[in-house]
Amino acid sequence: DGGITQSPKYLFRKEGQNVTLSCEQNLNHDAMYWYRQDPGQGLRLIYYSQIVNDFQKGDIAEGYSVSREKKESFPLTVTSAQKNPTAFYLCASRPWGDSNQPQHFGDGTRLSIL
Amino acid sequence: AQKITQTQPGMFVQEKEAVTLDCTYDTSDQSYGLFWYKQPSSGEMIFLIYQGSYDEQNATEGRYSLNFQKARKSANLVISASQLGDSAMYFCAMREGGGKLIFGQGTELSVKP
Repeated sequence: DGGITQSPKYLFRKEGQNVTLSCEQNLNHDAMYWYRQDPGQGLRLIYYSQIVNDFQKGDIAEGYSVSREKKESFPLTVTSAQKNPTAFYLCASRPWGDSNQPQHFGDGTRLSIL
Repeated sequence: AQKITQTQPGMFVQEKEAVTLDCTYDTSDQSYGLFWYKQPSSGEMIFLIYQGSYDEQNATEGRYSLNFQKARKSANLVISASQLGDSAMYFCAMREGGGKLIFGQGTELSVKP
């Protein structure tokens, strides 16, 4: 079945450490997105990519970095510069060209500070 | 700036009854889209229903319908015949340029048996 796979499901970060969250999709979607969700809150956009080798900052990009070397993959790195990384991270994708199409989401990664 | 507002942090509904979840939006764009997602306690986001700004009819998908009032800038979700499995967080979202979504704060729905 086609879908979006995020791994790991749970991740723990030590102070000063960079960690990378994986997002892979086999839906042949062009656009991919990373969101952060804090408890009891809505989703906020971190980064998005409309095409391979291109990506744009969202509303809360500071302390995060991404790459898009393959259409299927859009990993997110939470750097040590992100001082409050504890949150639920959701990856999404969407076919490009039809803005009526909804974004499809992965099951998320829960990141905590050790 | 575009904005989505959900004013109901929590709602209760009796099983088999209908419930309306409120969503208002603010945009200066003429063309936009509105989405509703369901988030169970497990965390995944499940797409429910979509309404385009130029759609003349209110969207419906099974037990879900969208009460779209363009002049009032509201896009309320109506769930008919509530089921216990409907208990979840519900988010209203609006499409921006680049296909990005901006989300409201969500409404937590609890269905009572």
